[in-house]
Amino acid sequence: NAGVTQTPKFQVLKTGQSMTLQCAQDMNHEYMSWYRQDPGMGLRLIHYSVGAGITDQGEVPNGYNVSRSTTEDFPLRLLSAAPSQTSVYFCASRGAGTPNSPLHFGNGTRLTVT
Amino acid sequence: RKEVEQDPGPFNVPEGATVAFNCTYSNSASQSFFWYRQDCRKEPKLLMSVYSSGNEDGRFTAQLNRASQYISLLIRDSKLSDSATYLCVVNKTPFWVRGNEKLTFGTGTRLTIIP
Repeated sequence: NAGVTQTPKFQVLKTGQSMTLQCAQDMNHEYMSWYRQDPGMGLRLIHYSVGAGITDQGEVPNGYNVSRSTTEDFPLRLLSAAPSQTSVYFCASRGAGTPNSPLHFGNGTRLTVT
Repeated sequence: RKEVEQDPGPFNVPEGATVAFNCTYSNSASQSFFWYRQDCRKEPKLLMSVYSSGNEDGRFTAQLNRASQYISLLIRDSKLSDSATYLCVVNKTPFWVRGNEKLTFGTGTRLTIIP
């Protein structure tokens, strides 16, 4: 069972570079989301999607874009990387069933921007 | 005030002991509550949901106190494998509303079980 797959696991960027973090899930989940985790801050929601073709902003969306062309994929684009975007990024998905259905997280991407 | 607050710890507890931690939340309209566990350098994983009447899963007991706006997690007979960071998660949006996954995560309580 693949679950939620994120790539790459690690990435180093220079300030101003752009890149895309990939996320795919094979559980046919409607909801997908991107979080960043920083020391002392907890996980913060960047963007989320409630289904293919629908995306919305979370708590910290600036500097990031997303798209959801299929149910399975939800890539996160960094348009012009900044040192403040150094963080651990997690993609997560959940089904639209009961209100307590859990979030399934990917393994995370550790991004360093120099 | 943070929406979700946890004591960061660390809690260093001998194996076999009972340990409890609380989490307070600020929004009285919060609808659902969870405890997630995160091992070092790994992704968070759901430990248990927290129900209004309280619930138990083996050695783990979760309680919700809506009046005082806190949830708690009790771990009995702690094992070395319980060492992790425990994240309190609160959802203030009803599940039928678009954007239900706008969960608010606490910063986590770090637990180390000592042999």
